[in-house]
Parts: sequence; C-alpha cells; structure tokens
Amino acid sequence: AQSVTQLDSQVPVFEEAPVELRCNYSSSVSVYLFWYVQYPNQGLQLLLKYLSGSTLVKGINGFEAEFNKSQTSFHLRKPSVHISDTAEYFCAVSDPRSGGINYKLTFGKGTLLTVNP
Amino acid sequence: EPEVTQTPSHQVTQMGQEVILRCVPISNHLYFYWYRQILGQKVEFLVSFYNNEISEKSEIFDDQFSVERPDGSNFTLKIRSTKLEDSAMYFCASRWSANYGYTFGSGTRLTVV
Repeated sequence: AQSVTQLDSQVPVFEEAPVELRCNYSSSVSVYLFWYVQYPNQGLQLLLKYLSGSTLVKGINGFEAEFNKSQTSFHLRKPSVHISDTAEYFCAVSDPRSGGINYKLTFGKGTLLTVNP
Repeated sequence: EPEVTQTPSHQVTQMGQEVILRCVPISNHLYFYWYRQILGQKVEFLVSFYNNEISEKSEIFDDQFSVERPDGSNFTLKIRSTKLEDSAMYFCASRWSANYGYTFGSGTRLTVV
C-alpha cells in the first residue's frame, strides 16, 4: 500500500523568501506524484505532476518539484514566495498499475504555508 | 475555466439522518470521484465512478454510502444514516480521461450533531 508523509504541518515564511515543502512517499513500485494547493474556501487545484521523464517538474505560480527516486521524495520549492501563496499544500501519489479508470490518489496530511509580510 | 460545483458548501445534520451531497462535474468528463477529509487528517479516497457504475471503493465506503448519476449532469453521494464520525469535508472530482488530471470541487463541509 502507498503512503505519503508531509513532514511539516505548518511552514511560516516571510515574503520573498524561498520555501521548500517536503513530501516523502512509500511505495514498492513506480508512482505518479502530484502537488495540489487549496486556497481558503476553494477546491484542490493541481500545481504540478510527475508522471515520467525529467525529474524536475515545473508547475503553475512559479512552483517546481524534484522527484528523487532513491530518497522517495518529491519536495516542492519556490525561490521567492508572495503573500498570495498562503494556502494548504497537499502531496499525493497514484499507482499507475491501478488502471486508467481509477488512478485514485493517496494524499498526505497537508502543509499550511503562511507567508508573512 | 470549467469548474466542478458542489452544493451545499456546508450542511449540518442530526445523527441518524440521511444526507445527499451534490456535485455537478465538468460536462464532458467521464470519471467521477468522491474524497473526504476529516478535520486534521488526510484527504481519503472514497469511491470512483465510470460508465454509470462504481469502478472502485475504499473500505470507508460501506453500505451506508451510495453514489448516483441520476440525470447525466449531477453526481451525488448519499449517506443513509449519518454518524458523528461522518463529519468531514467531502470533495467531488472529475476527469476527462485516464491520462488527464483531476478537477476538484470546493467541497461540502458536513457536520453531524
């Protein structure tokens, strides 16, 4: 069974500082990896995804993530954050063997990023 | 941009009552899902639905739960007899194809008292 660990439940940073949100997964097989963001009172929005190919994935709003198979990690980074990046960030994994019909997602508990002025 | 719409945004119900959570997926999407998040816990998969039938369900999705796509546009989650532990945020999601990403709705916060 897959599992996802987001080590930090809350990450406070100052505006324009860099940030890294950590995500580790547990799986014995190749997986698809995702980061979602949830702004207050909104749904889950896809930031970026890794399916195959280059291990450095670029997403929306200046975020990027690097897939590290040996460390089973998929950390999310942004070189300079804005106040508007304040939100909850969720890492998720999907097992491609589960078939095209399902591709159910297994989520981490989320990291609340708070950007302070 | 097309959205997945969920109603209501917040519902309070008494223990033992039936509730129906409603979702309008994106119109040309073919795959439909319900997830839930109990406060402070992970977002959990409940059920996937394709071609008018359940394609997979989790162990959480017991006989008290059912899903339906009654009219080709709505996708509903029914809980027959709610328990206190059903209190959670419920997310609906849809996908166009197997290789296409999910679009999630804003969620319905269900509070069972």
